Amino acid sequence: DTGVSQNPRHKITKRGQNVTFRCDPISEHNRLYWYRQTLGQGPEFLTYFQNEAQLEKSRLLSDRFSAERPKGSFSTLEIQRTEQGDSAMYLCASSDRTTYNEQFFGPGTRLTVL
Amino acid sequence: QQQVKQSPQSLIVQKGGISIINCAYENTAFDYFPWYQQFPGKGPALLIAIRPDVSEKKEGRFTISFNKSAKQFSLHIMDSQPGDSATYFCAASSAAGNKLTFGGGTRVLVKP
Repeated sequence: DTGVSQNPRHKITKRGQNVTFRCDPISEHNRLYWYRQTLGQGPEFLTYFQNEAQLEKSRLLSDRFSAERPKGSFSTLEIQRTEQGDSAMYLCASSDRTTYNEQFFGPGTRLTVL
Repeated sequence: QQQVKQSPQSLIVQKGGISIINCAYENTAFDYFPWYQQFPGKGPALLIAIRPDVSEKKEGRFTISFNKSAKQFSLHIMDSQPGDSATYFCAASSAAGNKLTFGGGTRVLVKP
């Protein structure tokens, strides 16, 4: 069990550029979650998938954000036309069908928008 | 709207002492209450969790106390060690949505 992995670990971009992050969940976990964490705050829910279906999106997920999980395995989170306010740690978590509430987090991708 | 309120924001405890962190929630649909530990630059790690059908759960030096009528729960870290220095987050979720709602975090520093 290699745990949840996320790539890249760090991303620095200029305002207005597009960025894409990848999350590989724990093998066999069918639920995958995205959260955003700003400095000194708790993680905030963005969206989650059950297999390839996106079941819920937070109001925090503006039109510039899109997430996919095309084959029910890895997921990508894309931010278009980045803004300085998008600077945060983007966390991915996964859980399995028997214990949906137990979510295991990856190390996160830290985004800095200049 | 912050549905899970956590206190204190920071805590300093001597090695061997007890760290106590409190959380209060508003949504009565919540039925799962985990605690996460986070070190700088790392993702949150699940520490211990409780469901409202029990009032206390203990795992090693970590204990959760749960008061359903008051809608409050707390984490006790017994015999605190310098390696416990981290930020702790309480969270809550319901069977319906499963998304976690986190508290604001408590930064714990254990002095040797």
